[in-house]
Amino acid sequence: DARVTQTPRHKVTEMGQEVTMRCQPILGHNTVFWYRQTMMQGLELLAYFRNRAPLDDSGMPKDRFSAEMPDATLATLKIQPSEPRDSAVYFCASGFITGDTGELFFGEGSRLTVL
Amino acid sequence: GQNIDQPTEMTATEGAIVQINCTYQTSGFNGLFWYQQHAGEAPTFLSYNVLDGLEEKGRFSSFLSRSKGYSYLLLKELQMKDSASYLCAVREYNQGGKLIFGQGTELSVKP
Repeated sequence: DARVTQTPRHKVTEMGQEVTMRCQPILGHNTVFWYRQTMMQGLELLAYFRNRAPLDDSGMPKDRFSAEMPDATLATLKIQPSEPRDSAVYFCASGFITGDTGELFFGEGSRLTVL
Repeated sequence: GQNIDQPTEMTATEGAIVQINCTYQTSGFNGLFWYQQHAGEAPTFLSYNVLDGLEEKGRFSSFLSRSKGYSYLLLKELQMKDSASYLCAVREYNQGGKLIFGQGTELSVKP
């Protein structure tokens, strides 16, 4: 049963610490998305990649967030330094997107709490 | 950019029918999606509309009117397990397939 896998599922850290979240997209999917979900803002798009190349990361605070795809089976989202306002659930989603069609499949999310 | 509106909360009774509305404003519409999200879980795909009309899938149906910038999700024969958040999302042309989500509608199904 193909699914998007995210680690860690839960992370509690202190302000100023580095946080790295990892995502394994579904094999064969060509597009990977990072979303953040909070009660106030809902699901916000942070960044996304097509065939491992970044398409858009304008949704990310550039000074502290970075997203990469070192290979086709791994996407990472890093926050350094973390702040309490970064507390949220971070979702990775993947899809086989061609001609702007294709649905997104979401991972279970990484729940981040920054104290 | 996009603007997507949906009601924050709705309540319905088990066995009944409920309609969740979504209105949107976008410059290059290329599809509308509905996702279901149970508390503490991932959003899961429910339906997709790109042309006007009704798409039916079991107890769930989704309708789209592109001229009105309007969609609804219709849930029939409600079950307690349908209590969840329902997310409306819009895709635009030439944006790499990204989805922009509304805030979601929290549906509570009561016995």
